[in-house]
Amino acid sequence: QSVLTQPPSASGPPGQRVPISCSGSSSNIGSNYVYWYQQFPGTAPKLLIYRNNQRPSGVPDRFSGSKSGTSASLAISGLRSEDEADYYCAAWDDIMGGWVFGGGTKLTVL
Amino acid sequence: QLVESGGGLVQPGRSLRLSCTGSGFTFEDHGMHWVRQVPGKGLEWVSSISWNSVFIGYAASVKGRFTISRDNAKNSLYLQMNSLRAEDTALYYCARDSSGSIRGWFDPWGQGTLVTVSS
Repeated sequence: QSVLTQPPSASGPPGQRVPISCSGSSSNIGSNYVYWYQQFPGTAPKLLIYRNNQRPSGVPDRFSGSKSGTSASLAISGLRSEDEADYYCAAWDDIMGGWVFGGGTKLTVL
Repeated sequence: QLVESGGGLVQPGRSLRLSCTGSGFTFEDHGMHWVRQVPGKGLEWVSSISWNSVFIGYAASVKGRFTISRDNAKNSLYLQMNSLRAEDTALYYCARDSSGSIRGWFDPWGQGTLVTVSS
């Protein structure tokens, strides 16, 4: 049972906008930055979004992050087949004194 | 670049030491992390250490059994895993913190080393 809650799956046809939610609490998302990681099968995770809504260089602007209260969201617009991957949210938890991850969302492009 | 090593098959109750070597950046400037992933499952944070080893954190599931350490002179991060259990079976990734502490983002990640705990 992950501390951060994500839907196990999300999907959409090419070109569509798909949101992925991440729900937490006041001790993690509510008081700290949210990060998003992308993982393709058989490969290591890769940073996708940092500090709630910042994109590292090289990440397309089709990917955007937002945060409100104790929830965060990753939105992928203009969906492409190469976006099929697992997506994880993460945040520092002040009570646990460590990092917490969401259970991951498997994105399928229909 | 980060390269993990030291994984393998180990019996329950035994110990194993993982290593992670960094290159292409100033290792001593960054905090470091261990994250594990059971094949087919999600990511689980294991432990973190600041650049100067002053700040160290462990997940509740490994506290008291695992010890994180680093040798900046060797650009290396370690995870000493004692009293291993079947539920410790996972792919173990090391990751660099964006800062010298343990509160930044994880980038990059190594390719992982597989630990299998089984009799």
